[in-house]
Amino acid sequence: DAGVIQSPRHEVTEMGQEVTLRCKPISGHDYLFWYRQTMMRGLELLIYFNNNVPIDDSGMPEDRFSAKMPNASFSTLKIQPSEPRDSAVYFCASSLGAPSEAFFGQGTRLTVV
Amino acid sequence: AQTVTQSQPEMSVQEAETVTLSCTYDTSESDYYLFWYKQPPSRQMILVIRQEAYKQQNATENRFSVNFQKAAKSFSLKISDSQLGDAAMYFCAYRRDSGYALNFGKGTSLLVTP
Repeated sequence: DAGVIQSPRHEVTEMGQEVTLRCKPISGHDYLFWYRQTMMRGLELLIYFNNNVPIDDSGMPEDRFSAKMPNASFSTLKIQPSEPRDSAVYFCASSLGAPSEAFFGQGTRLTVV
Repeated sequence: AQTVTQSQPEMSVQEAETVTLSCTYDTSESDYYLFWYKQPPSRQMILVIRQEAYKQQNATENRFSVNFQKAAKSFSLKISDSQLGDAAMYFCAYRRDSGYALNFGKGTSLLVTP
C-alpha cells in the first residue's frame, strides 16, 4: 500500500483565498483524522471521521474550516477565506479500528501571505 | 481533557550511547493507549512504539523500549545504541480506550552527535 497520500505537499496562497487540502487514506481503514501542527500549539486534532461520517469536529477552529469525506477513499479540508494565522502543517491520518495505530500522511505545509 | 507533557524541549546524545526521553500524562481513565512517534525533517510522522495501559510489561521494539509507570502516569522512551538516523522530533501521544483521537505532547528534539 502507498500509505496515506496528501496533496499538495506545499501550498502558498494569499489571504482571503480558498484553500483545499486533499487526503487519500489507506485502503480499508475506517477512521480518518485531520491534525494541524504549529510551533505554538503543537499537534492538534481538527476533526475525525468514522466510516465517512464526521464524529468529532470540536477541534475545527472556526466556521472558515470545513471537512468532508464523500467516500471511503477521499477527504478534503477546506479553508475559506484563508488567513495568515492558518499557516501550519496539516496532517491527515487513517487507522483501522479504534485502538490501532494511526498512519500519517506527509502533511501539507500551508503558507497564507 | 487529557494532557501530555514532554518536559525536555531538546536532548542530545552521542552516537552509540543511550538516551531517555520523558513523558507524563494526566488522565482519569483506566484503559488507554500510549505512543511514541518520530518526526524526522521529512515531516513524516512514524510510529516508534505503543503501549496498552492494561499491559504491565514494557513494550520493546529493537533499540527502542519504554518505561511505563501507570501509577505515576509516566511513559519514557529509551533509545539504545543511538544512530545518526534517530535524530528527529519525538512526540508522546495518548489515546483513550473509547476515544480514537491522539493527544500529543509538544515534542522533544533529539540531536545525535557523531
